[in-house]
Amino acid sequence: SQQGEEDPQALSIQEGENATMNCSYKTSINNLQWYRQNSGRGLVHLILIRSNEREKHSGRLRVTLDTSKKSSSLLITASRAADTASYFCATAGSGNTGKLIFGQGTTLQVKP
Amino acid sequence: DTGVSQDPRHKITKRGQNVTFRCDPISEHNRLYWYRQTLGQGPEFLTYFQNEAQLEKSRLLSDRFSAERPKGSFSTLEIQRTEQGDSAMYLCASSAAGQLTNEKLFFGSGTQLSVL
Repeated sequence: SQQGEEDPQALSIQEGENATMNCSYKTSINNLQWYRQNSGRGLVHLILIRSNEREKHSGRLRVTLDTSKKSSSLLITASRAADTASYFCATAGSGNTGKLIFGQGTTLQVKP
Repeated sequence: DTGVSQDPRHKITKRGQNVTFRCDPISEHNRLYWYRQTLGQGPEFLTYFQNEAQLEKSRLLSDRFSAERPKGSFSTLEIQRTEQGDSAMYLCASSAAGQLTNEKLFFGSGTQLSVL
C-alpha cells in the first residue's frame, strides 16, 4: 500500500524555472527520501532527510520536512530538460528494516 | 549504473505459466528488497531479505509468489500460475544498512512482466 500522496501528480514547466513537489505521509518516520525515475528504468536516490532535520540541500535540490504536518517538499531550482522524470518520496518507518514506502509520484516535464 | 542487476529485462508469458526473475545486488550489500510497480504508481513493497533470511513479506504477496536468497547474495522471485494482474515492473533494490541507520536503496532497472 502507498504511504501517502504526492502533489501535483503532473507538472510541466519551462527550462530555467523552479519545480516544487509535495509529499504527505501518514505514519511516524525515521527518515524521508526522494527518488527519481526515468521512463522504464529503476529509481535513483536523490536525497535523504532525517526526522530531526527540517531542511537539506544537495546541488539544485532543496528538501524540507515538517513532521508536525507529516509533509515534505522537493524543490528543483533552475530546471533543465534532463530533469524530466518521475519523482517519488519514500518514507522509512521507525523500525530498523530499511523498508521504504513510496508515494504515487509526480511526473515532471521540463520543456526546453 | 547502480550496480544492481536484474534479469531478464523483459518477460512475456501466457497466463498460467510460471516465471522466475533474478536479482544480483551490489556485492557488499546485506539487504535486498523486491518491489512491484504498475504504470503511473509508485513502487509497492513485496518482501525483503537480510543476508539469506527473509524478514518481511507484504500481505499483498499471494501464495503464488515466492522469493529466495539462498546464499545471501543473489535473489530469485518466482511467480507461479501467472495472472494478467501480475503484469508489472518488478524492481529489486539493495542496501548496506547497518544496525542503527536506515540507508538509501540502490535499484536495478527492473524486469517488465507482461502476462497475456
